Order: sequence, then structure tokens, then C-alpha cells
Amino acid sequence: DGGITQSPKYLFRKEGQNVTLSCEQNLNHDAMYWYRQDPGQGLRLIYYSQIVNDFQKGDIAEGYSVSREKKESFPLTVTSAQKNPTAFYLCASRPGPGNSPLHFGNGTRLTVT
Amino acid sequence: AQSVSQHNHHVILSEAASLELGCNYSYGGTVNLFWYVQYPGQHLQLLLKYFSGDPLVKGIKGFEAEFIKSKFSFNLRKPSVQWSDTAEYFCAVSTISSGSARQLTFGSGTQLTVLP
Repeated sequence: DGGITQSPKYLFRKEGQNVTLSCEQNLNHDAMYWYRQDPGQGLRLIYYSQIVNDFQKGDIAEGYSVSREKKESFPLTVTSAQKNPTAFYLCASRPGPGNSPLHFGNGTRLTVT
Repeated sequence: AQSVSQHNHHVILSEAASLELGCNYSYGGTVNLFWYVQYPGQHLQLLLKYFSGDPLVKGIKGFEAEFIKSKFSFNLRKPSVQWSDTAEYFCAVSTISSGSARQLTFGSGTQLTVLP
């Protein structure tokens, strides 16, 4: 079955360490997105990529970095510069930058202590 | 920049009650509107969408939403809720941002709890 795989489901890190969250899709979608979900704040866009080797900052990109070396992969690195990294992170994709709805992964809950 | 407001953070209803979840957006241009749902332990999925045409759109599981352009609203409705409708509901708006790239802006979500 086609879909989006985020791993791991739960991730724990010490403060000051960088951590990379995985997102892989086999839907052949061009566009991929990273959102952060916090209680009462909904989903906020971190980074997005419309095509391989290209990505753009979203609304809350500070403290995060991404890469898009392959169409199916869009890893997100949470750096030590991110002040409040503990959150639920959602990866999504869609065929292109148009109107098609997003397909979401199951998310990764990151806890930094 | 566009914004989306969902004023009800938590709604609690009994089974068979009617549901209306509010969604208002601020953007003066053309928009596409979506409702997504996240059932407990599951990923976000599309409930319904509005692109153009009939402002009353029907989605899965008996849900519908009405786009009222003059009120910048896209409220979600269901005549009779079931316990299985317990979930978090997100309204989202798609617009043309800089660089002609359409992005989605999400509301803060409404947690619906249906009591059996």
C-alpha cells in the first residue's frame, strides 16, 4: 500500500543534541511538508519542498533544517538552536503544489529533556 | 498572511446531537477550503473540501460544510453525531502564497468528544 512512513514513532533526546526525523513516501508525490502540532495551536508549517533539491521555509523554520536529495525522502533535523523542540511532528505530501489534499504520516513525538 | 480561526477548542456532545464546528479565515483572495479529521491513534485524513461551485459540500461519514464567502466561514456540520465521531477536527485554507506556491494554513483544531 502506498503511504507516508515516519520513524520512529517516539524519540527521546537530551538537550543540546541534534536529532533527525525520517519521512519516506512511496506515493510518487512531488511536494512534501513538515508540520509541528502543539496542543491548542494546530499545525504549523516548518518547511516544505515542491521538488527534489529544492525546499522553502515555512512559518516556524528557525532551529530546523531539511534536505530533499531524493523524491521519496524529506528528513527533518531538529537542531540544538530550536528553543522548544518537544512536540509532535507530522510529515505530509501531495502530488504537486496545487489543490490536491495532503496525505499525512502517523507522526513522530519528540521529547527533549 | 492568511489565518484560520476555530473558536471551539473542545466540544462535548451526546450521541444523536447535532454538530456545528466553526471555521473562519482571513484572506481576501481566492481560497480553497478543507476539513481534516484525526481519529485517536490515526493519522490526519481529509474529511471534505471546497474548491468552487456549490458552496454546500458533502464529505465522508455524513459530514457537510457550507462556504459562506461574505462571512469568510466554512463551518462543519453533522445532523446526528455518533460515538465514533470522537476526534480532533482541523479546518484549513489554501491560498497562493509568494512564489505562486499554494500552502495550507491550519486552524488550531477542535476536539470533539461524543458521549455514548
